Amino acid sequence: ELKVEQNPLFLSMQEGKNYTIYCNYSTTSDRLYWYRQDPGKSLESLFVLLSNGAVKQEGRLMASLDTKARLSTLHITAAVHDLSATYFCAVVLAGSNYKLTFGKGTLLTVNP
Amino acid sequence: DTEVTQTPKHLVMGMTNKKSLKCEQHMGHRAMYWYKQKAKKPPELMFVYSYEKLSINESVPSRFSPECPNSSLLNLHLHALQPEDSALYLCASSQTRTVSYEQYFGPGTRLTVT
Repeated sequence: ELKVEQNPLFLSMQEGKNYTIYCNYSTTSDRLYWYRQDPGKSLESLFVLLSNGAVKQEGRLMASLDTKARLSTLHITAAVHDLSATYFCAVVLAGSNYKLTFGKGTLLTVNP
Repeated sequence: DTEVTQTPKHLVMGMTNKKSLKCEQHMGHRAMYWYKQKAKKPPELMFVYSYEKLSINESVPSRFSPECPNSSLLNLHLHALQPEDSALYLCASSQTRTVSYEQYFGPGTRLTVT
């Protein structure tokens, strides 16, 4: 059974600070995704990571994947209030195309 | 057009009612998904349709009945639901001929069962 663990589950940051969210998964995976969800809203796709060593950046967010360590990170640089949301990582079991297993999510609050 | 639409946005139904949720996409995606999300929890996969055929059923109770009439539409028929079925129901779609299989989510239907 594929297990996906995110930490921290809750993160309160000050504006301008840097921090990293971690996503560990238990078995071999082909793909890893990061999603953002605002309260009461749907999921917005942030990054798709497909190979070992993949790194993607968008604005103040950067995601990376280490398939050997079964670890992905979402790094936040110089946080701003607009980044406040819940961030989920999701992993697809190797050999499966469709079934996403989500982490529990990280609730990020950026304070002025 | 990179949008998945869902109707209705909100639905309140009694335990004896029959209702349907609808999902539509015009991105040419051939995989479509239903997820259930409870408050402060991650989405849970319910069903996957691939090329209009049911590919995955995550042991969902029969009071939930999915239907995929064509490649753009996905329905979820609801009957005799329980209060614990109250949740946000999310539809998603993805391509099936790319490496990423990136899923695009609709805005969701917030369901309340009374």
